[in-house]
Amino acid sequence: DAGVTQSPTHLIKTRGQHVTLRCSPISGHKSVSWYQQVLGQGPQFIFQYYEKEERGRGNFPDRFSARQFPNYSSELNVNALLLGDSALYLCASSPLGTNTEAFFGQGTRLTVV
Amino acid sequence: QQQVKQSPQSLIVQKGGISIINCAYENTAFDYFPWYQQFPGKGPALLIAIRPDVSEKKEGRFTISFNKSAKQFSLHIMDSQPGDSATYFCAASMAPSGNQFYFGTGTSLTVIP
Repeated sequence: DAGVTQSPTHLIKTRGQHVTLRCSPISGHKSVSWYQQVLGQGPQFIFQYYEKEERGRGNFPDRFSARQFPNYSSELNVNALLLGDSALYLCASSPLGTNTEAFFGQGTRLTVV
Repeated sequence: QQQVKQSPQSLIVQKGGISIINCAYENTAFDYFPWYQQFPGKGPALLIAIRPDVSEKKEGRFTISFNKSAKQFSLHIMDSQPGDSATYFCAASMAPSGNQFYFGTGTSLTVIP
C-alpha cells in the first residue's frame, strides 16, 4: 500500500516568490494536515482539511493557504516567501477528522534564498 | 507557550539498555498521545499511541506509560538497538480541535553498539 506521498522532495526558491507543495494521502483517508518543521524542532501545525473543508488553522500568517481536492489530495501554498519559511513541510494523512492516528509523508524540504 | 514539554533533549544508551523519554502536558483536554520516530531527512513515523483511559500500552520493545494525575507520559524502549538511533517526538491532541497535534521538542537518541 502506498503511504503518504509529497512532491516535490526538495525545492529552492528566492525570497518573495510563491511556492505550491502537494500531498496525496493514504487511500481511504479523508483528512490531510500540514506541518512545518524547522531544523531541530518539533513539527508545528499549519492546517487541517477534512472532507474538503478546513478543520483547523495554526498560528501562521495569511501568506499560508491550503486546499483539499475531491480526491482528498491537498496543496499548501505560501506567498511572498521569507528566509524564515525555510523548513521541512510535512503532510499527515488520517482516516478521520479528529483525534486519531496520523501518518506523515517524507516531507518537502523548502529552502528560501 | 510549549503545550507539551519533552526531556531529555538528547540521550545516549548502550546496546541492550533501556531508553526512557519523558513528556509532560498542562491541558487536561488532551486525550490522544502518540509517539513518533524520525530519521534524518525523513518524515516522522508513528510508533505507538495511548489514550488516557489506560495507564500502559506495549507494542514489541516499545511501551508507553501514562500518568493522568501527574499529566505525564513516557516512552520506554527496551533492549535498545543501534537501529533505534533517531529523534523521538511525543505529541498530544484533543477531540474538539480536529487532528491538530502539539509536538514536544524532540529527543535525539543514540544507541552505542
